[in-house]
Amino acid sequence: EVQLVESGGGLVQPGGSLRLSCAASGFTFSSYWMSWVRQAPGKGLEWVANIKQDGSEKYYVDSVKGRFTISRDNAKNSLYLQMNSLRAEDTAVYYCARILWFGELSYFDYWGQGTLVTVSS
Amino acid sequence: DIQMTQSPSSVSASVGDRVTITCRASQGISSWLAWYQQKPGKAPKLLIYAASSLQSGVPSRFSGSGSGTDFTLTISSLQPEDFATYYCQQANSFSNTFGQGTKLEIK
Repeated sequence: EVQLVESGGGLVQPGGSLRLSCAASGFTFSSYWMSWVRQAPGKGLEWVANIKQDGSEKYYVDSVKGRFTISRDNAKNSLYLQMNSLRAEDTAVYYCARILWFGELSYFDYWGQGTLVTVSS
Repeated sequence: DIQMTQSPSSVSASVGDRVTITCRASQGISSWLAWYQQKPGKAPKLLIYAASSLQSGVPSRFSGSGSGTDFTLTISSLQPEDFATYYCQQANSFSNTFGQGTKLEIK
């Protein structure tokens, strides 16, 4: 059974940093692109970042470029999101998701339960 | 960047009704579109990919259609467990965009 379990969320002050983790199991982690998607309270879904199987390609939404870094450790079956210079608008539930490809479409077939990040003084 | 616009933003319907949700892309995306269902406090669930391909395990009352800029998600006969929020999603040049969501409520 595919499982994705996020951790590392919490309350952080504006300008602070936080590192999210996602532990994967039930599939060959090193064979899949992975992603972070977030959802602000009461709002819709927003894609944050993607990373290729070997970490050689990474893509970000414009609003987090230069502040967030996606990474992975295939030996530990883990995905990470290092978040620096956090802003109030980064407050959201952050989901880890597995990516599948169909032609040019990348879509998310499995999701974790999410971890809440709150940026507030 | 490609924008995705869903309509309606919310819809009320009854068990057994047929419901259609529309998603429009700001430029052509061929058939590179997925649909998700999300219930309160839960992670999204994949329903449809490549505009019309049903994800394994998803009931056949869900169907998707469209290509280019206009897409639809249809639920042929609403069941109580279908009341949720639905999102479309496109991926282009390694950038993903979701629609704003359509909340399906019980009438």
